[in-house]
Amino acid sequence: EAGVTQSPTHLIKTRGQQATLRCSPISGHTSVYWYQQALGLGLQFLLWYDEGEERNRGNFPPRFSGRQFPNYSSELNVNALELEDSALYLCASSPLGQGRETQYFGPGTRLLVL
Amino acid sequence: GDSVTQMEGPVTLSEEAFLTINCTYTATGYPSLFWYVQYPGEGLQLLLKATKADDKGSNKGFEATYRKETTSFHLEKGSVQVSDSAVYFCALTVGAAGNKLTFGGGTRVLVKP
Repeated sequence: EAGVTQSPTHLIKTRGQQATLRCSPISGHTSVYWYQQALGLGLQFLLWYDEGEERNRGNFPPRFSGRQFPNYSSELNVNALELEDSALYLCASSPLGQGRETQYFGPGTRLLVL
Repeated sequence: GDSVTQMEGPVTLSEEAFLTINCTYTATGYPSLFWYVQYPGEGLQLLLKATKADDKGSNKGFEATYRKETTSFHLEKGSVQVSDSAVYFCALTVGAAGNKLTFGGGTRVLVKP
């Protein structure tokens, strides 16, 4: 069974640009979560999507946004990039029903903002 | 709110030593508890989990028991290997649909041959 996949693996942008990160969940999983792992700040919850809807949002500004597609894949968009947005962005998915409390993570996208 | 506190690292051990990483939590509801491991340059891998009090999660020689009375979920391994060198994260989630994971700060473990 294929795991959670993310693309690209690395992304370099300059301040003020926009970044788009992509995530494909494990087959059969309907929930997708996004987390930011910034140096010195630990793992912070960003967004949760389920059945195409945003269900919960962490303490991040509105320039962090995303969506979930009918095939349950997801995009995270970061507008007006700032230097402190440099981080590893992790996507996770969880199944519907039994075991839905467990999240499985992808390898991450490392975003560098110059 | 929910929070997870785990011992700060780094923890440096010799091969075959006993490893304990302490984790305590506060939660607004009845949490599920997890340990994740992150190897250098990689994402998070689920190591083990426990969803109710007194449950013991185990995997790859690691164990942790959900202790509701002490709000703890300490990770242990009896004999570590160099390949166990990684960062370990304790985490919890509350809610029937999983919702967000709240993580501890992570503990870096370095195992020397």
